[in-house]
Amino acid sequence: KAGVTQTPRYLIKTRGQQVTLSCSPISGHRSVSWYQQTPGQGLQFLFEYFSETQRNKGNFPGRFSGRQFSNSRSEMNVSTLELGDSALYLCASSRDRGPHNYGYTFGSGTRLTVV
Amino acid sequence: TQLLEQSPQFLSIQEGENLTVYCNSSSVFSSLQWYRQEPGEGPVLLVTVVTGGEVKKLKRLTFQFGDARKDSSLHITAAQPGDTGLYLCAGLPVEYGGATNKLIFGTGTLLAVQP
Repeated sequence: KAGVTQTPRYLIKTRGQQVTLSCSPISGHRSVSWYQQTPGQGLQFLFEYFSETQRNKGNFPGRFSGRQFSNSRSEMNVSTLELGDSALYLCASSRDRGPHNYGYTFGSGTRLTVV
Repeated sequence: TQLLEQSPQFLSIQEGENLTVYCNSSSVFSSLQWYRQEPGEGPVLLVTVVTGGEVKKLKRLTFQFGDARKDSSLHITAAQPGDTGLYLCAGLPVEYGGATNKLIFGTGTLLAVQP
């Protein structure tokens, strides 16, 4: 079966711009989570969506937002980009909530570079 | 703030050697996972442990969850160049409850196995 698909794979944006990243989960998976990975901070939780509702949010400023559609696809948006937003953004899907019960599959990520 | 400290941060060994990676915290986790991540890709789930004292084996990899569910270890026997990658532990704190995918990730261990 197809894995988690993230688009685009690479993005270069200028400070002050905004960006939208997309994630298509594995068919049948209803839970989508987003993480930011940087060399200094490692993987940090951004959001968790289940059945089109945000269930949890990490400690990120309001410039970071997201949503989930009825087909479970998810998007995240970052407005007013800062240099420090340069990172690998990872999406993970699972059939339900609770990774120890249902497994957790990551996409290959979107590498965002802000210049 | 829950933290998962991994040690060592970096490990460079020869093919055929054994190694152990540690993941420690002062928090209690309802479950803990181990991932391997290769450059430019998302983390790939290796194992999930949920019971204190649990030991799981995956070919040459042995995973253990501490009795108090605050720590875990990954032991690799007879390492091979294909084991090279970033190893990450990730836990679900008890206080988050079970129905969430909001994982806390460890600081990571970068393993290089030389042929």
